[in-house]
This record gives sequence, C-alpha cells and structure tokens, in this order.
Amino acid sequence: GENVEQHPSTLSVQEGDSAVIKCTYSDSASNYFPWYKQELGKGPQLIIDIRSNVGEKKDQRIAVTLNKTAKHFSLHITETQPEDSAVYFCAAHYPNFGNEKLTFGTGTRLTIIP
Amino acid sequence: DAGVTQSPTHLIKTRGQQVTLRCSPISGHKSVSWYQQVLGQGPQFIFQYYEKEERGRGNFPDRFSARQFPNYSSELNVNALLLGDSALYLCASSLGQGVTQYFGPGTRLLVL
Repeated sequence: GENVEQHPSTLSVQEGDSAVIKCTYSDSASNYFPWYKQELGKGPQLIIDIRSNVGEKKDQRIAVTLNKTAKHFSLHITETQPEDSAVYFCAAHYPNFGNEKLTFGTGTRLTIIP
Repeated sequence: DAGVTQSPTHLIKTRGQQVTLRCSPISGHKSVSWYQQVLGQGPQFIFQYYEKEERGRGNFPDRFSARQFPNYSSELNVNALLLGDSALYLCASSLGQGVTQYFGPGTRLLVL
C-alpha cells in the first residue's frame, strides 16, 4: 500500500524566515497531495493541496512543489509568523482503491521563534 | 458557513464498553470519512461512506463499524473497547467526487 515519509519531525525557525517541510511517497500512481495544519486540541485544517498534473502551487505565503519523478513534495512557508506554529501533516491519495483514503505522514512540529 | 461538526468532544469509557461517535458533514457534502489519530502520529483511515454506502475500509478490526444516514451524517461505533483505542477520532467530509477533505474538530476518546 501507500507509504508517506515526512521530514523533519521538528523544525524551529526564526520569525520572518522561511520553513520547508518535505515528504516522499511510495506509489507513483498517487495523484493528490494535501497539506494540513493542526493546532493543539483541534482537527487538521487544509492549507493547500496539489494534484499530480501540476508542479507548483502558491497561496500567499504558502507554496507546495511536486516532483513526480522523485516522488516527493514539499511545503514552503515564507515570512513565517508566530501563528504559523503548529503541527503540519502531508498526505497522499492513491486512486486505485476507488475511495478517498488519505495516507498521512508522521507530522512536523513547527515552532516560530519570535 | 458551518464546518464539519462532531459530538461529543470528549469521552471517557472503560475497557469492554461500546461507544458511538457522531459527525455532521459540511452542507452539500455527501461523503464522510473517519480517521483515528493516536497521540504523536498522523491520522489513520478507518472508513469512507458515500451516499450511504461504504466506499473503503482501513486496517481496523471488526469491532469498528460505521453507517451514514439519509441526511449524510454518520456514526462510528466501536465495540469491546481496548486501552489502545484511546485516540482522537476525526471525521472528514467531501463532495465525494474530488478527494478534497475537510476535517472536524474530533472526538477525544479515553479508554481506562
């Protein structure tokens, strides 16, 4: 089945600097890659997603890049702010099972240092 | 607009008991998926229901069951609770045709 690896597990960044989180997936047929932000005591919040027919997508300070050949995708956050502190999860969808199952990475705890 | 809602927010049960968790999807969404999130890990897929039919089941024992109602709300049932069932149970809804899923706040279950 699908497997998603996420690195790093923790990341501390000075406020205003950029943060990058990387994920790799195992099945080349995977076609959808969302990123979720989870704050303490809350459910995951979708922040950006990308489909396999697109190489890059940007939304204000957040961008995601996808390299299908290498089977990895990355989240880029620029001009980080204290409210960006949270746990971030990447996920991948493998379409051949006919359902919407997402396989998640193990998460990255991002801390923004004021 | 109201997002995905789940009830209850917290629950404490003892081993061997049964529990029912409830989820109401975003208005207009016909698909509901359930995930289990153990502390420190990413969510694990349990079930997906679309138009009241099961579309997928993850690697969970038969003690876990679910159903979807005509109004697209859903219930997750867990029988014969084990200590290891302690987790945050998340519900996600989608239109059912594009995979994009939106999560609710979760129900935190503690089994003693």
